[in-house]
Amino acid sequence: DSGVTQTPKHLITATGQRVTLRCSPRSGDLSVYWYQQSLDQGLQFLIQYYNGEERAKGNILERFSAQQFPDLHSELNLSSLELGDSALYFCASSVGLAGDSGTDTQYFGPGTRLTVL
Amino acid sequence: SQQGEEDPQALSIQEGENATMNCSYKTSINNLQWYRQNSGRGLVHLILIRSNEREKHSGRLRVTLDTSKKSSSLLITASRAADTASYFCATAPPGDYKLSFGAGTTVTVRA
Repeated sequence: DSGVTQTPKHLITATGQRVTLRCSPRSGDLSVYWYQQSLDQGLQFLIQYYNGEERAKGNILERFSAQQFPDLHSELNLSSLELGDSALYFCASSVGLAGDSGTDTQYFGPGTRLTVL
Repeated sequence: SQQGEEDPQALSIQEGENATMNCSYKTSINNLQWYRQNSGRGLVHLILIRSNEREKHSGRLRVTLDTSKKSSSLLITASRAADTASYFCATAPPGDYKLSFGAGTTVTVRA
């Protein structure tokens, strides 16, 4: 158990809908990352938050957005869903000390499996 | 786009044998990490090696890093059925935290 929790575990929805995925980082971790894992694209970094602020952006679609709240939990919002958005979505957390990325280990949650029908 | 590439894509070995997989990457890195993923489940962090380190051990795992060749290897000794999983290398560029993953090596350990 990594200490990172994600809800829900599974989500089945229809095209055009909007969903929210939730992540609670390990105690003491300030950075939260979101990744998408699909069969054709592999594991892709989406976005990173550090202590409530967006820090880095990757291959995140405009239909997707995220935020990190004062209690450090994070939500990933996916809207206008398409079939191709079906994937495993992982959240990871790390201490995220600025300037110390050399030893900053990311711990992953169990993921949310999203199926868009 | 994926920064790293693992080789081989798949590996099948007998229990008790060693498993070796390689990872090549394209740009400068701050560190390289190896993760394990059991079918459809979360990624488990195995080991992190910094760019100024050449070798690291953790239990039955041995990781090497050659920054001049932009490559790393993961050796699992005395493999067990529970080692059956996909193994990914992930790199972080200097001054950055986001990880770029390879496509993974799927290891099957036969009893």
